[in-house]
Amino acid sequence: SQTIHQWPATLVQPVGSPLSLECTVEGTSNPNLYWYRQAAGRGLQLLFYSIGIGQISSEVPQNLSASRPQDRQFILSSKKLLLSDSGFYLCAWSLSGETQYFGPGTRLLVL
Amino acid sequence: AQSVTQLDSQVPVFEEAPVELRCNYSSSVSVYLFWYVQYPNQGLQLLLKYLSGSTLVESINGFEAEFNKSQTSFHLRKPSVHISDTAEYFCAVSDRASGTYKYIFGTGTRLKVLA
Repeated sequence: SQTIHQWPATLVQPVGSPLSLECTVEGTSNPNLYWYRQAAGRGLQLLFYSIGIGQISSEVPQNLSASRPQDRQFILSSKKLLLSDSGFYLCAWSLSGETQYFGPGTRLLVL
Repeated sequence: AQSVTQLDSQVPVFEEAPVELRCNYSSSVSVYLFWYVQYPNQGLQLLLKYLSGSTLVESINGFEAEFNKSQTSFHLRKPSVHISDTAEYFCAVSDRASGTYKYIFGTGTRLKVLA
């Protein structure tokens, strides 16, 4: 069966520091991969999605970036964090685009 | 552009009472519809989905939702809720025509089941 992992589970970072969040999927090949952010009291905002290695589409202009160095690995990065980057970051995968399955999430607090 | 509206941000209901969580979307052209549940500090779990076929779909824990194309709605219902159903529920729509299968999420409804 397929599983999706995210780490770290929680992260506290100072403003201006770099960020790297990792997401990996097991048990499937060539999945579509997605990064979402969930701000407190708000819905989910799609940040990036990828349909293959090296293929990244950005949905919202911001100081975040994403990369897909391997088929089942999706990384969310920032060179300098802002206070507004705080939130709950969720990674998801799908096959054929129908149903997305979500990871456990990473809670990021920027101070 | 597609949009999803969950009008109720919070719904309190007593245990064993029925509940309906509302979801409306802007366009009924070629969509997939989903309900997800999120427990505190966890990711989203798929509750049920409509892809095609019967407009009434059910989950294993007693929830059901009906795709209503004319009203562009996909409301979630349960005839008798339990304390354990307390969670946040998100409705999502995927535009099949776009080819990207990106989801548009509603802002969520927090269901609070009272003893």
